[in-house]
Amino acid sequence: DAGITQSPRHKVTETGTPVTLRCHQTENHRYMYWYRQDPGHGLRLIHYSYGVKDTDKGEVSDGYSVSRSKTEDFLLTLESATSSQTSVYFCAISPSGFYNEQFFGPGTRLTVL
Amino acid sequence: DAKTTQPTSMDCAEGRAANLPCNHSTISGNEYVYWYRQIHSQGPQYIIHGLKNNETNEMASLIITEDRKSSTLILPHATLRDTAVYYCIVRVGAAGNKLTFGGGTRVLVKP
Repeated sequence: DAGITQSPRHKVTETGTPVTLRCHQTENHRYMYWYRQDPGHGLRLIHYSYGVKDTDKGEVSDGYSVSRSKTEDFLLTLESATSSQTSVYFCAISPSGFYNEQFFGPGTRLTVL
Repeated sequence: DAKTTQPTSMDCAEGRAANLPCNHSTISGNEYVYWYRQIHSQGPQYIIHGLKNNETNEMASLIITEDRKSSTLILPHATLRDTAVYYCIVRVGAAGNKLTFGGGTRVLVKP
């Protein structure tokens, strides 16, 4: 267990509502990532962070924003949820980023109706 | 990024060694080979990584061919809990680097 928690673990929401997912780590690692996983697409990177207030886009960032005001927390926000954002969301952390030894959280299952 | 090719699925017997192949013929000199696995409904789990030397840890061994165009992940004594999708990923070692997960190999360990 790499000391990563995600909240909530399950959420059902309606189209058009804002949603925020939280990733919390106790390891004080510099790098944090948000992925989504969908059948037939594997894991796809949404956003990542390389330090407090330092974030960058991944391959599927449209419709998502992130914030990292503290080392231990990385928030993923869906400003206006759509049904296409129904997915399982995984957070990951990495101690150095260099060797890509990433440790994943348990995931959040989000359903947008 | 170098593309990887893995078998879609494979079975292995409990207690026996499981040998998972991965082809990465376009790998470049600064790219590492990483292996992850994902057990149903859980987050991916890091297993091992290597550049050109064989590597071993408490979970598995990684054998990389001398030309680095292919590798094999070895689970020495497969258990039922090793049933998972195994991903071979090739990526440069660089700060903030992102992982790209392909289709992987679905491994079923049978009693």
